[in-house]
Amino acid sequence: DYVMTQSPLSLVVTLGQPASISCRAGQTLLYTDGNTHLHWFHQRPGQPPRRLIYKVSNRDSGVPDRFSGSGSGAEFTLKISRVEAEDVGIYYCMQGKNWPWTFGQGTRLEIK
Amino acid sequence: EVQLVQSGAVVKKPGESLKISCKGSGYSFSNYWIGWVRQMPGKGLEWMGIIYPDDSDTKYSPSFQGQVTISADKSINTAYLQWSSLRASDTATYFCTRRDASIAIPERAFDFWGQGTMVTVSS
Repeated sequence: DYVMTQSPLSLVVTLGQPASISCRAGQTLLYTDGNTHLHWFHQRPGQPPRRLIYKVSNRDSGVPDRFSGSGSGAEFTLKISRVEAEDVGIYYCMQGKNWPWTFGQGTRLEIK
Repeated sequence: EVQLVQSGAVVKKPGESLKISCKGSGYSFSNYWIGWVRQMPGKGLEWMGIIYPDDSDTKYSPSFQGQVTISADKSINTAYLQWSSLRASDTATYFCTRRDASIAIPERAFDFWGQGTMVTVSS
C-alpha cells in the first residue's frame, strides 16, 4: 500500500494569515500516463469530502484562488495564502495512482 | 447535474445484516468506478472497495476483504455495500464517490460524493 503521511495534523491559524500542509507518499505518485495522481480534499463536520485540487495543482471549479497545490514525485504541499473562516475543517491528501487508494491522516485547521 | 444519492441512516443490532445503496444520476453510471469510503466517528477516511458497474469488476482494500460485499445493478444506476453480520465496530458514516473508468482523466476522479450514510450498530 501507498502510505500517505500528512503534517502537521493540527493547525491553528489567525484569520488572514497563511497556512501550509505537507503530504508525503511512500512512493512516487507519477503514473505511466504522465499524471501525478495526488488530490486534496476538504471536509466540514457532517459533510462529505469535497475535492479542492486534483493532479497536484489543479483547482476545482469554485475553489478560491487562495488555495494552491504544489509538489512532485512523492512530496506535496497545500497552501492557503490567507485563511478565512470558511476554511476550517479537515484537509486530506489522497493518492489515486494504485489500488488500494489511500488518504493521509487528515490535518485539522482551526481559526485562532 | 451529476448526483450520487445514498440511502438513509440506519440503526442495527450486532449480528444483523445490512445493505446500503448509492444511486447515480446525470452521468453514464456504468462507465465510472464507484468507491466506498468509511469514516468512523471522529476519525479519518478509509477506502473500502470499488466496483465498475459495467462488468461488476470489484476490488477490496485488504482491511475490508471478506468483511463486506460490494455490488452494483447498472440497470438502475445503483451500487451497494452490504454486511452479512454487523459488529459494533461497523458504526461509521459511509460515503460513495466516483472515478472515471480511465485513470488518465483525473479531473473526473472523486469529483462527486454521496451525502453519506450513517450506520449505527448497537445492542
